[in-house]
Formats: sequence, C-alpha cells, structure tokens
Amino acid sequence: QVQLQESGPGLVKPSQTLSLTCTVSGGSISSGGYYWSWIRQHPGKGLEWIGYIYYSGSTYYNPSLKSRVTISVDTSKNQFSLKLSSVTAADTAVYYCARSPHDYGDYLFDYWGQGTLVTVSS
Amino acid sequence: DIQMTQSPSTLSASVGDRVTITCRASQSISSWLAWYQQKPGKAPKLLIYKASSLESGVPSRFSGSGSGTEFTLTISSLQPDDFATYYCQQYNSYAGTFGQGTKVEIK
Repeated sequence: QVQLQESGPGLVKPSQTLSLTCTVSGGSISSGGYYWSWIRQHPGKGLEWIGYIYYSGSTYYNPSLKSRVTISVDTSKNQFSLKLSSVTAADTAVYYCARSPHDYGDYLFDYWGQGTLVTVSS
Repeated sequence: DIQMTQSPSTLSASVGDRVTITCRASQSISSWLAWYQQKPGKAPKLLIYKASSLESGVPSRFSGSGSGTEFTLTISSLQPDDFATYYCQQYNSYAGTFGQGTKVEIK
C-alpha cells in the first residue's frame, strides 16, 4: 500500500519561499509509471493542481503558478519537493502531494498524502 | 482552460436516499472524468475514474455516468459514511481542473 506524507513549515512569512517535502513509502518513485504531484486547497475552497514531476526529473507546472514553482525529486530518499517563491496570503492553503498512474491519466490522483496546512503571515 | 461546474452546491438527504450530483464541463472531455469524496480534515479519495469505472474498494452503491460535457455521480442508497463533499475533476487536459464541490448533508 503506497503512502505519501507531507512535511515542512506550517508558517511562512510573506515574500519568502514555501518549501515542502513528500515522502513516499510502499513504492519506489524510481520504478517509473507515475507522476508525482502537488495540489493545494485554499481554506473552504476547491482544489488546484500545482505541478508534477516524473522520476527522471521532468516537470510540468500549472501556468498560473509556473513563474514561482519548482518541483524536484530525490530518488535516493524516495522524496519529492515543492518550492513556491514570493508567497503572499493568497498562498495560504492545505498542500497535498499525490500520485498519478501514467497509463490512466497524468492528472488522475489515486493516492494522496494527508495534507499539510501552510499559513502565510508575518 | 476547461471549467467544471457542479450542481447542486449543497444537497440535504437522508440515509437510504438515492442521490445524484451533476457535473458539466465547458467543453468536451470525452470520458476523462473522475469523482472524489472528501471528508473534513482529510484528503480527497478517488471513487470513480473514466466517468464510470469504480476504483478498487469503493462500494458498489456509487456509480458514475456520462460523456462529453455532462456527467453524474449517483449514490443508490445513502449511508452514514457518505456524508461528505464530492468533487468532479476533468483529466483530459493540463492542470486537471476540479469542480467547486457538492456538500452532501444530513437532512
């Protein structure tokens, strides 16, 4: 059973960089066949895909966030990470990591982490 | 961008009721439509993919139908565990946009 777990600071100051890591267990990122995504949910709102990475390091970002987003992968640790720069209060959200099976659709999310709330405030 | 619109936004129902949620896409997405269930403080859970395929382990009282731009999620007999928010999502094109959600409440 694949499990994903987000970790990182719960509070970030405006204009700084939000950094989160997702640790995958029960399966290897480097085995291929899956995209590894970050998704966020603003308080009481809907879901927004941020971007994904393949084990090879190939990335694809939501155009609305592309200028501020970097996703990276560390296959030796079975982790992938999110950096979102120049954050504002509008970036306050629950951030999820999730997996997409490549053969079923790049954006079909079959396993999710439990989510972590990141608040942007001074 | 493909916009996804769900109706209703909130639905009040009783245990045992048959419940139907509608999702409309702003352009054709063929059958590239998924449904998720989310409970408070939890991550979304995949229920249905490719419009009508039931994810492994999901009870058979959940079903999905539709293609093109109109889709429905049906719960044949609502159970206490089903009170939650449901999201549709298109995964036909980039960013995989979600609907705004339908909250199923206890009547």
